[in-house]
Amino acid sequence: DAGITQSPRHKVTETGTPVTLRCHQTENHRYMYWYRQDPGHGLRLIHYSYGVKDTDKGEVSDGYSVSRSKTEDFLLTLESATSSQTSVYFCAISGNTQAYEQYFGPGTRLTVT
Amino acid sequence: GNSVTQMEGPVTLSEEAFLTINCTYTATGYPSLFWYVQYPGEGLQLLLKATKADDKGSNKGFEATYRKETTSFHLEKGSVQVSDSAVYFCALRGYAGGTSYGKLTFGQGTILTVHP
Repeated sequence: DAGITQSPRHKVTETGTPVTLRCHQTENHRYMYWYRQDPGHGLRLIHYSYGVKDTDKGEVSDGYSVSRSKTEDFLLTLESATSSQTSVYFCAISGNTQAYEQYFGPGTRLTVT
Repeated sequence: GNSVTQMEGPVTLSEEAFLTINCTYTATGYPSLFWYVQYPGEGLQLLLKATKADDKGSNKGFEATYRKETTSFHLEKGSVQVSDSAVYFCALRGYAGGTSYGKLTFGQGTILTVHP
């Protein structure tokens, strides 16, 4: 299994509070991604990174920001959590292979009350 | 833009039955195609992949063939087991000239339940 960890694994927070989720990899892969998974929507890309300090928006980036100061860590921040951000968040990584296949972390279940 | 359409589930089968989960896609250029599997409470695991037309990806008894003429990548298994019960996702990585950051587009997922 690819060395990807996510923390925390579960979190309950209140509306309006900032929340930061962490993704850590030990594979030295260049690319990292944050997705959210919701019933009926599959997985949707929030933000991705193609190198240290290089990030870009995905399809559902509103209300989220990211940072990548080291190759191994990719942080996702909910600036002011809302109930619509209750979801399961997955981090993924990929390297410079032909297919750029992605490998996923175990997920963080976030509940915003 | 790119899109992936999977057959709607849930799919319920008896053990040792034949499995097909349909997946069709829309993309420009020459996408790579993937099947991922998600077991309850876990992240997605790469099941198989194909990078060019007529490639067959295979793993753990599952197979899928990249059909460019029908823009399809259907997942098949000859004899399913109870342990195959999971959610299956078809995904596509589009290729855009000389630049790609590996972004995936996923289908909605198909729930498979296999009964003894």
